Amino acid sequence: EPEVTQTPSHQVTQMGQEVILRCVPISNHLYFYWYRQILGQKVEFLVSFYNNEISEKSEIFDDQFSVERPDGSNFTLKIRSTKLEDSAMYFCASQGSYNSPLHFGNGTRLTVT
Amino acid sequence: AQSVTQLGSHVSVSEGALVLLRCNYSSSVPPYLFWYVQYPNQGLQLLLKYTTGATLVKGINGFEAEFKKSETSFHLTKPSAHMSDAAEYFCAVSVDGGSQGNLIFGKGTKLSVKP
Repeated sequence: EPEVTQTPSHQVTQMGQEVILRCVPISNHLYFYWYRQILGQKVEFLVSFYNNEISEKSEIFDDQFSVERPDGSNFTLKIRSTKLEDSAMYFCASQGSYNSPLHFGNGTRLTVT
Repeated sequence: AQSVTQLGSHVSVSEGALVLLRCNYSSSVPPYLFWYVQYPNQGLQLLLKYTTGATLVKGINGFEAEFKKSETSFHLTKPSAHMSDAAEYFCAVSVDGGSQGNLIFGKGTKLSVKP
């Protein structure tokens, strides 16, 4: 069964550094998402992306965050200047159509020191 | 605004016993409701969903859930727990009732299964 793949599985970075989290969605999917889960807290929606633009974003998704689909396969989340509170598990998800369920990747654990 | 409350952050059952994980929701529109499961070091996997129609929905691995509008609940059950059911379970509601993408999740319930 096709799956969403995320790399790396664990990223450690220093505060203030830029990080890029990478995702390869399922190949024929059209809608793409990033969610995050701070340890012990809820899984939270960050952003959705369709037709090469952001369709929705949450309050968490401020100017420090950006997303890109640089080619036909990758979907990236960039955090420009990481803060300690950005430490979390980041999940990528993709969706074949607006009314089909999400398929999640295994996540990237980001640790900001 | 939509919200989800999962009662009990940790539930422990014996193998073969009934599993009941509770979820209550709040939604200003007819809700789409979901249960996801997360095994250690893995992503979220859809167990089952309710969008419209039959209020008792069956999912994978023998789980089912019933949408009860009057109680604003969507509890997850399984008649007989198996060791492999040990995982974290998340209830979720869609933000706008029409999409299955932008979801609001509960805090999760960790299920332990004792031999």
